[in-house]
Amino acid sequence: GESVGLHLPTLSVQEGDNSIINCAYSNSASDYFIWYKQESGKGPQFIIDIRSNMDKRQGQRVTVLLNKTVKHLSLQIAATQPGDSAVYFCAENSDYKLSFGAGTTVTVRA
Amino acid sequence: DVKVTQSSRYLVKRTGEKVFLECVQDMDHENMFWYRQDPGLGLRLIYFSYDVKMKEKGDIPEGYSVSREKKERFSLILESASTNQTSMYLCASSLTGTGKEKLFFGSGTQLSVL
Repeated sequence: GESVGLHLPTLSVQEGDNSIINCAYSNSASDYFIWYKQESGKGPQFIIDIRSNMDKRQGQRVTVLLNKTVKHLSLQIAATQPGDSAVYFCAENSDYKLSFGAGTTVTVRA
Repeated sequence: DVKVTQSSRYLVKRTGEKVFLECVQDMDHENMFWYRQDPGLGLRLIYFSYDVKMKEKGDIPEGYSVSREKKERFSLILESASTNQTSMYLCASSLTGTGKEKLFFGSGTQLSVL
């Protein structure tokens, strides 16, 4: 089946800098995308979602960008904080369920 | 807030044992899901249920079964546990079954099969 993937498995960011986490998807029919954050020892927590009729959506310190032409999704975190250290997953809808990528581990350096 | 509760945080079982993983949600959600999470592979869907007594296979159902006798409870069953089923198991729920809404996850059960 088709799958969602992230470009890089790890990302190291200086505290205060902006983070960009990338995700490539392969199902051109997907029309809903979502980002999750998973801290150590916890289940994934919803961050932000976006539908395919939009190309940008903003939340609190986070922005999701969707480029349907190249099937690319990104999550931008502004002014990265130590509490942002986690694994980040993107997911797309496929056949009435979500398919997840492998995840990117973000480490924030003090 | 929606609360999804998994009964065990850690489990250690022996090969061949029958294992039950329990999950309860408190927000009257229609849909419930079981995923397993392995390093480098992300979350893979095992089974999901869109109604009481209904179930659908996910991407990796082999070696697993599920039970949903009540709306709030969704159980994952390993009929005869094997070492390759050592993994983190995550339960989730969602309000409807469109696939276009967020899932609410439990904290996970780390299962080790020896």
